[in-house]
Amino acid sequence: QVQLQESGPGLVKPSQTLSLTCTVSGGSFSSGSYYWSWIRQPAGKGLEWIGRIYPSGSTKYNPSLKSRVTISVDTSKNQFSLKLSSVTAADTAVYYCAREYSGYDWSFDYWGQGTLVTVSS
Amino acid sequence: QSVLTQPPSASGTPGQRVTISCSGSSSNIGSNYVYWYQQLPGTAPKFLIFRNNQRPSGVPDRFSGSKSGTSASLAISGLRSEDEADYYCAVWDDSLSVVFGGGTKLTVL
Repeated sequence: QVQLQESGPGLVKPSQTLSLTCTVSGGSFSSGSYYWSWIRQPAGKGLEWIGRIYPSGSTKYNPSLKSRVTISVDTSKNQFSLKLSSVTAADTAVYYCAREYSGYDWSFDYWGQGTLVTVSS
Repeated sequence: QSVLTQPPSASGTPGQRVTISCSGSSSNIGSNYVYWYQQLPGTAPKFLIFRNNQRPSGVPDRFSGSKSGTSASLAISGLRSEDEADYYCAVWDDSLSVVFGGGTKLTVL
């Protein structure tokens, strides 16, 4: 069974960089059949896609966040990471990592449990 | 303001059929596949529908999707109390981003 687990600080100061890592277990992380994505959800609000990375390292980002986002991958550890710079209170949200599977037309078929990141001084 | 428009709420009684709509544009729903996700309270979203109307294995056939032009719908038949959740549509937008609807909170009365 595929499992994804987010990890990282739950509190980040304004103007600093938010850093999260997603560790994947139980599947073929480096398979060309998957993209690995980050999605966030402010409390009581809807979902927002942040971006994705292919195991080869190619990335695609949400244009609204592109100037502040970096997603990287470490296939040796079955991990991918998110960095979001210059954070403000508007970046406070639950952050999910998720797998996109080509067999389901790149649907998000597995999700992590989510981790709450609060931006506050 | 989401690119995809969903009603904020929907409701039904057990056994009923309910439909949740998702309205977009030619740059998203009009030209790409629609997906649906279910988010039970306090949990991560769960994948329900892909390619407009296909169910992955394990999703009951009570859930069905459809698409016409720049709109899509999720129908839930034989409504159960455990279907009470938030439902999100999603689609790839030609602006090079995955976009989600604002979500619909389904209440089972």
